[in-house]
Amino acid sequence: EAQVTQNPRYLITVTGKKLTVTCSQNMNHEYMSWYRQDPGLGLRQIYYSMNVEVTDKGDVPEGYKVSRKEKRNFPLILESPSPNQTSLYFCASSSTGIRGLKSSPNQPQHFGDGTRLSIL
Amino acid sequence: DAKTTQPTSMDCAEGRAANLPCNHSTISGNEYVYWYRQIHSQGPQYIIHGLKNNETNEMASLIITEDRKSSTLILPHATLRDTAVYYCIVPDRGSTLGRLYFGRGTQLTVWP
Repeated sequence: EAQVTQNPRYLITVTGKKLTVTCSQNMNHEYMSWYRQDPGLGLRQIYYSMNVEVTDKGDVPEGYKVSRKEKRNFPLILESPSPNQTSLYFCASSSTGIRGLKSSPNQPQHFGDGTRLSIL
Repeated sequence: DAKTTQPTSMDCAEGRAANLPCNHSTISGNEYVYWYRQIHSQGPQYIIHGLKNNETNEMASLIITEDRKSSTLILPHATLRDTAVYYCIVPDRGSTLGRLYFGRGTQLTVWP
């Protein structure tokens, strides 16, 4: 079954204790992304990756790191978590579709089930 | 992303068609319209997308007006499990591939 898997699903931790949220997809997608969702602010992109070893900042990258050493995995790292990073996090992946065609659409994104982080 | 406008909330009786409108008056000629939905606190789910012609899949139909300034997502026989927030998105062709802006969407409530 095609899926995006995030772990853990829930985590309560304390300020400053490094944590990693893993994301894995089994669809051989080039593109992967992390979002956070907060009440009243919708989904905001943190980081994205166009392919292995290619990552870039999204709209709210401060306090986060990512890596893309393998195509299937895209972990989100919080080196020193703070309470303002308490949120619901989603990982997503998609194929990059056909390149070079003017009318080529973005490919639909597949999302994981989410990770709820609470930083005390 | 091109700005989209959706009603904040709608409701629909189970078994009836749910018609969710979206305005995207600033859409450019080769920009697609995408629809996603999010069932409470679950990951967003892709529904359908289209450019100018009407589209249909197993989940829904998408009707795009001839001038492309608005579209309607149709769930032909809504069920209680269709209760969700529905997002209409027009990714900016000039933006990085894959970046989506999720606005506030429309909260659809299907009642028995």
